[in-house]
Amino acid sequence: EAQVTQNPRYLITVTGKKLTVTCSQNMNHEYMSWYRQDPGLGLRQIYYSMNVEVTDKGDVPEGYKVSRKEKRNFPLILESPSPNQTSLYFCASSPLHQLPYEQYFGPGTRLTVT
Amino acid sequence: QQQVKQSPQSLIVQKGGISIINCAYENTAFDYFPWYQQFPGKGPALLIAIRPDVSEKKEGRFTISFNKSAKQFSLHIMDSQPGDSATYFCAASGGTSGSRLTFGEGTQLTVNP
Repeated sequence: EAQVTQNPRYLITVTGKKLTVTCSQNMNHEYMSWYRQDPGLGLRQIYYSMNVEVTDKGDVPEGYKVSRKEKRNFPLILESPSPNQTSLYFCASSPLHQLPYEQYFGPGTRLTVT
Repeated sequence: QQQVKQSPQSLIVQKGGISIINCAYENTAFDYFPWYQQFPGKGPALLIAIRPDVSEKKEGRFTISFNKSAKQFSLHIMDSQPGDSATYFCAASGGTSGSRLTFGEGTQLTVNP
C-alpha cells in the first residue's frame, strides 16, 4: 500500500530532551515536507526537501532540524524541545512533477513537551 | 502573517443543508488553490482544487467558487452529510512561494443527522 508513515504517533517528553520523529514514504517521491498543525493557525511548513541532500526552511524552522540522506526518509529532529513545540506534526510527500497539485500526508505525530 | 485567511473557524449544518467555507488571500501571484479535508486522527487529503483562470469547479457535491478581483475563494458542500464532518483547510501556492502551500486556519465542520 502506498503510504507515508510516521513514528511515533504519540510522544510525551520533557524540555531539553532531544528527540527524532521519523517519516518514511514508499512511493519514490522526490518532495517531502514537515508541517505543524496548531488550533487557529492551520498547517505551517517547517522544512521541506526537493530531493536527497536538498533541504530548505519553511515558514517556522526555528528549533527544528531535518536531514534527507535517503529518498524515502525525512526525519524531523528537535535538539532541545521546548513547550511551545507541543503540536501535531505531519509529514507529506509528492512527486516533483505533481507539485503543487497534491501532497500525500502521513497520519500525524502528536507531541507534548512538558 | 497569515497570507490565507479562512472563515468560519467552526460550522454546524443540518443534514441536507449547504456548507460554505470562505477564504481570502493577499498574494496576487498565487495561482493554485486547493482544499484539503482532514478527518479526526488522519492527515489532510486533497479534496478539490482550482486555478484562477476559471470561476467555478464542481466535483460531485463539492464546488469551489473563485473571485479573482476580490481575492477570495470558497468551498460549497451541497446536500451536506454526517460523513462530511471533518476539518477543511484552504490553501494557495504560486509566485515566490513556488510549489509550497500556504494553508488557511482551518474550519471544523459538523453535520448533524
